[in-house]
Amino acid sequence: DIQMTQSPASLSASPEEIVTITCQASQDIGNWLAWYQQKPGKSPQLLIYSATSLADGIPSRFSGSRSGTQYSLKISRLQVEDTGIYYCLQRYSTWTFGGGTKLELK
Amino acid sequence: EVQLQQSGAELGKPGTSVKLSCKVSGYNIRNTYMHWVNQRPGKGLEWIGRIDPANGNTIYAEKFKSKATLTADTSSNTAYMQLSQLKSDDTAIYFCAMWEGAYWGQGTLVTVSS
Repeated sequence: DIQMTQSPASLSASPEEIVTITCQASQDIGNWLAWYQQKPGKSPQLLIYSATSLADGIPSRFSGSRSGTQYSLKISRLQVEDTGIYYCLQRYSTWTFGGGTKLELK
Repeated sequence: EVQLQQSGAELGKPGTSVKLSCKVSGYNIRNTYMHWVNQRPGKGLEWIGRIDPANGNTIYAEKFKSKATLTADTSSNTAYMQLSQLKSDDTAIYFCAMWEGAYWGQGTLVTVSS
């Protein structure tokens, strides 16, 4: 089974800062990687698919990148509404989620 | 507009079963896999399995092979998940998702308690 190691587990940043969340895949998954944001009591919302493609309606301050088997989500110019828990998901072989990153604003 | 409407909260006794539904509007489920994911209280997302409604083929995560049964009714455009032999550890929110994770239901809370 493919494992996804996500870091950090939690993160606190100030508005307008740049934050980066990473996921390390245990094997090659190509670009079969998505990023989600989840707010309390809500279902996950797709932010990025195919490692780097922005989902419909998602602000351009969100971006995804890949370097080998390491994937990153960058949020430029952090906004108050960006608080929540972020998950990566590999869809190369069935599905595996990363452990999540809780993002809070200072 | 694509929408996934999940059934309401369930309270199940230990040892019993519950069957959750996920009705899709705006898209024919024959053209996508339907996935199910759970989230235990305060925990992360966990994939349970998926069904291909076009032919009924299923794949389950190892730990859910004897716990969950996925089915689909293409005539009503609805996916189902039955959870059997409920234990307190099955208390969670269960989500359905489709189109490779682009669309999600609102979740169904299952509480297992005697």
